[in-house]
Amino acid sequence: AQTVTQSQPEMSVQEAETVTLSCTYDTSESNYYLFWYKQPPSRQMILVIRQEAYKQQNATENRFSVNFQKAAKSFSLKISDSQLGDTAMYFCAFMTAGGGADGLTFGKGTHLIIQP
Amino acid sequence: EAGVTQFPSHSVIEKGQTVTLRCDPISGHDNLYWYRRVMGKEIKFLLHFVKESKQDESGMPNNRFLAERTGGTYSTLKVQPAELEDSGVYFCASSQDLVRVGELFFGEGSRLTVL
Repeated sequence: AQTVTQSQPEMSVQEAETVTLSCTYDTSESNYYLFWYKQPPSRQMILVIRQEAYKQQNATENRFSVNFQKAAKSFSLKISDSQLGDTAMYFCAFMTAGGGADGLTFGKGTHLIIQP
Repeated sequence: EAGVTQFPSHSVIEKGQTVTLRCDPISGHDNLYWYRRVMGKEIKFLLHFVKESKQDESGMPNNRFLAERTGGTYSTLKVQPAELEDSGVYFCASSQDLVRVGELFFGEGSRLTVL
């Protein structure tokens, strides 16, 4: 069974700062996918960024980038030039390459607060 | 195009009562998942429908939970009788197919509070 650990229950930074959310996981699989999801207050959870385990290059989506360290089983999310709208719960998630009927394995989440 | 919608957004019931949560997936999405997040814990998988069939219900906590998906469209999750530990946020997600990994579209969740 896979596990995903997010060790930071809550983080708070000033607007425009850079913040890094940590995520570690444990699996015996060699081929899998990792995700960061974001749920703003009273809003739907949306996919922020995705990383395929077989790709060495770190995924990037505008201000969001990841630091994927496969050997260390680490998958951190960096948000550059943070904005007030980035305030949300962030969930790290894992999925085996086959998709898996059980969908995603999530971490407990990190509540990120961007202060003006 | 409408996203995944869930109803109600919040339900407060007493222990022993019954609650039914509803999820309308994105039209055309065969895969529908239910997840639950108990406060302070991970989001946990409950079950997975492919069209109207239960593909995997290994995450259902016990027989007080019953999920259905009528005609492969909307799905309901009934809790009867509700217990205190059932409190949490119930998320529904849908996807067109498993090949598009990660393309799960989530609803806003239904918060259940059992008193």
